[in-house]
Amino acid sequence: AQKITQTQPGMFVQEKEAVTLDCTYDTSDPSYGLFWYKQPSSGEMIFLIYQGSYDQQNATEGRYSLNFQKARKSANLVISASQLGDSAMYFCAMREAYSSASKIIFGSGTRLSIRP
Amino acid sequence: ETGVTQSPTHLIKTRGQQVTLRCSSQSGHNTVSWYQQALGQGPQFIFQYYREEENGRGNFPPRFSGLQFPNYSSELNVNALELDDSALYLCASSFPGQANEKLFFGSGTQLSVL
Repeated sequence: AQKITQTQPGMFVQEKEAVTLDCTYDTSDPSYGLFWYKQPSSGEMIFLIYQGSYDQQNATEGRYSLNFQKARKSANLVISASQLGDSAMYFCAMREAYSSASKIIFGSGTRLSIRP
Repeated sequence: ETGVTQSPTHLIKTRGQQVTLRCSSQSGHNTVSWYQQALGQGPQFIFQYYREEENGRGNFPPRFSGLQFPNYSSELNVNALELDDSALYLCASSFPGQANEKLFFGSGTQLSVL
């Protein structure tokens, strides 16, 4: 069963606008972590933000925030004031507590394109 | 700034051949993991190495194997290459023990199997 679902294959957003990238997940483990990574055309995966399943507050990192709705198993990424350099693939990912420390399950990604 | 380096950046092989990909982890990181990313998909976990031993493996056949060296660098070996092995292979390093343990990725090796 797919554990991370990203339903938006691609999105176009005007520069300076905010954008929300959707992510839903599935797990029976009460302890897990959720990640967002950015992958520019260079191929490198860049860590953006982390949310732990027991964290009470939504995570924020600069222009990135994670809208964590535990009951809905949703972990949407919000990018405020988008910039041209934000154009890239974005992956939602999850690590379950029982898995290997480095085993992260990725979604299929959303390609974000910022229009000037 | 990740500090994870991979070589080569691109590689072309033919079906049935063997290939070795290399990865140098970020300074201070003792855990290395490898991911396969097929075109248009998210990365899939192959395996992880910690203290020179494999300690976690995804759904990949035994012809995918690896090594970790005392300096924590790593190799991914793939035997009997198949066309479906064509993908971007990403190496990631980390220092385990934290709940929010981040993986730091390299830029990957693009493998094409003809």
